Amino acid sequence: LAKTTQPISMDSYEGQEVNITCSHNNIATNDYITWYQQFPSQGPRFIIQGYKTKVTNEVASLFIPADRKSSTLSLPRVSLSDTAVYYCLVGERDSNYQLIWGAGTKLIIKP
Amino acid sequence: NAGVTQTPKFRVLKTGQSMTLLCAQDMNHEYMYWYRQDPGMGLRLIHYSVGEGTTAKGEVPDGYNVSRLKKQNFLLGLESAAPSQTSVYFCASSPPTPGGNQPQHFGDGTRLSIL
Repeated sequence: LAKTTQPISMDSYEGQEVNITCSHNNIATNDYITWYQQFPSQGPRFIIQGYKTKVTNEVASLFIPADRKSSTLSLPRVSLSDTAVYYCLVGERDSNYQLIWGAGTKLIIKP
Repeated sequence: NAGVTQTPKFRVLKTGQSMTLLCAQDMNHEYMYWYRQDPGMGLRLIHYSVGEGTTAKGEVPDGYNVSRLKKQNFLLGLESAAPSQTSVYFCASSPPTPGGNQPQHFGDGTRLSIL
């Protein structure tokens, strides 16, 4: 099972683009990369998932290089409400129960 | 649309007491999961279920039991609570994962303290 490494915390300012990088050196061929967001006193919320290259949805983009040993979550023009913990998970898309949750990255957005 | 509902939201137990945490989902999802989250840490999977009547162990199953008698409900039981089980417990559900991008939907957690 692939484990992930993320920065413990990051700071940014409103209106900026924030990039959170996750390292997953032992990712397997069938593994997908999934990002969740968690606010205090709430359960995690799915943000985005990808396998390779670039994925974009209405809230974020996910960049995955060719070797897939890392991935970057990009949040465009963040606001104070984006302050949360962000988790990067790697696991087979067909197997949610093999996902390993790390400690995540605590993102603090300042005015 | 309620999504995933967990009851109770808070509970304090004494060591040795038993209790059951209830998770209910109204999205007709096949898969359900129970996690625990300790302060400053990620989630750890306790048990999961891929369908009504079936359950399986996750990463940290000791001291817990589960049942999935109805598709929409997933119960987590503590037979003899221990202080080490003080944690926030999250339930999640998802459609079957094979063949699709199937994110998990989480409840807002049950905060459990064992004295």
